[in-house]
Amino acid sequence: AQKVTQAQTEISVVEKEDVTLDCVYETRDTTYYLFWYKQPPSGELVFLIRRNSFDEQNEISGRYSWNFQKSTSSFNFTITASQVVDSAVYFCALSGPPPNAGGTSYGKLTFGQGTILTVHP
Amino acid sequence: NAGVMQNPRHLVRRRGQEARLRCSPMKGHSHVYWYRQLPEEGLKFMVYLQKENIIDESGMPKERFSAEFPKEGPSILRIQQVVRGDSAAYFCASSPRADSPLHFGNGTRLTVT
Repeated sequence: AQKVTQAQTEISVVEKEDVTLDCVYETRDTTYYLFWYKQPPSGELVFLIRRNSFDEQNEISGRYSWNFQKSTSSFNFTITASQVVDSAVYFCALSGPPPNAGGTSYGKLTFGQGTILTVHP
Repeated sequence: NAGVMQNPRHLVRRRGQEARLRCSPMKGHSHVYWYRQLPEEGLKFMVYLQKENIIDESGMPKERFSAEFPKEGPSILRIQQVVRGDSAAYFCASSPRADSPLHFGNGTRLTVT
């Protein structure tokens, strides 16, 4: 069975601080995908990133960066110089292999419980 | 290219009524997924559909819930005889291929009174 744990329920920071959101996962699949989604106060789910299990290269996109470490089954998300607009619930998610890798439930994401991030001015 | 469109945004139903939630995937997307976000349970997968076919409905409650994605028109999630426990946000997601990232809609907030 798959499991995603986001141990931090709530994080509160002041603007311009850096903040890291933790995500730890469990899976028996050798091929899998990891995702981060953002849910701002307006309620929609915004796709941020997808990584596959064979690509451990860290990724940076503007103020966002992701650290994928297979050895610790973690896929952490860091926001540098946080801003008030970053306030949202952030979800980490895991899926199995896609059809071309023998999977049948790639789109069946297992989500973590989410981390509520509040950035104060 | 418009995103995944869900309507209505908010839906209020009395116990025992039917709720119909609609989802129009992004243009070119033939894979549709429904998820439910309950207050204390987080986001849970419900069903995965491709045009006219249900691929995986392992997350659907056994009774009262059904989903379809017809050849023409939006995908519909139907909840019959709603109960208070059905109150939740229902999200639809779509992708162009079975191995593409999922893009979610804004959700439908269902309130059962």
